[in-house]
Amino acid sequence: DQQVKQNSPSLSVQEGRISILNCDYTNSMFDYFLWYKKYPAEGPTFLISISSIKDKNEDGRFTVFLNKSAKHLSLHIVPSQPGDSAVYFCAASAGNNNDMRFGAGTRLTVKP
Amino acid sequence: DGGITQSPKYLFRKEGQNVTLSCEQNLNHDAMYWYRQDPGQGLRLIYYSQIVNDFQKGDIAEGYSVSREKKESFPLTVTSAQKNPTAFYLCASSFGAERGETQYFGPGTRLLVL
Repeated sequence: DQQVKQNSPSLSVQEGRISILNCDYTNSMFDYFLWYKKYPAEGPTFLISISSIKDKNEDGRFTVFLNKSAKHLSLHIVPSQPGDSAVYFCAASAGNNNDMRFGAGTRLTVKP
Repeated sequence: DGGITQSPKYLFRKEGQNVTLSCEQNLNHDAMYWYRQDPGQGLRLIYYSQIVNDFQKGDIAEGYSVSREKKESFPLTVTSAQKNPTAFYLCASSFGAERGETQYFGPGTRLLVL
């Protein structure tokens, strides 16, 4: 069973506009959430995280929002740049790293 | 350059054959992980190791084996008992296995069955 779901396999956005990537989870025990970014031929790299005690975490152009009641988190990229084109994975954990659950990823394309 | 490497990039397996995927890191990380990715699915944990000479099964360990004889190395063997081995395999490492310890991933190995 997929406890972490990214329902949009792909997203296309114009350069300079906002990119919003969504992630839903089913396990109410998850209390730590992460986003990873993956370029072709490279491994995923950590982007940003949020603990369940917060509802927002911001790092430069990247902001993650957490809605615990809806079991939903989103990643906002503003403004989007062509270099942001990659696959973005959402992950959630109820404990240590070995309890991490990953979504299937969303491929973001930012058009110049 | 510090990092985590996986080899080979592509690997072909014949029916009934065991194959070994390499994972090496020079980040001085204690914890290492093996994940499998199938199309349309998230990464699933195969095995993890929190320290040298110790490893634990993940969610889908059947048909796989690992060893952790050195801190830097965590090879994964896909045995003939793994009936559906075709997948993309990712290795990762982190300083510790605790929450908040960032995992660093290798570039992956794609395994195909002939």
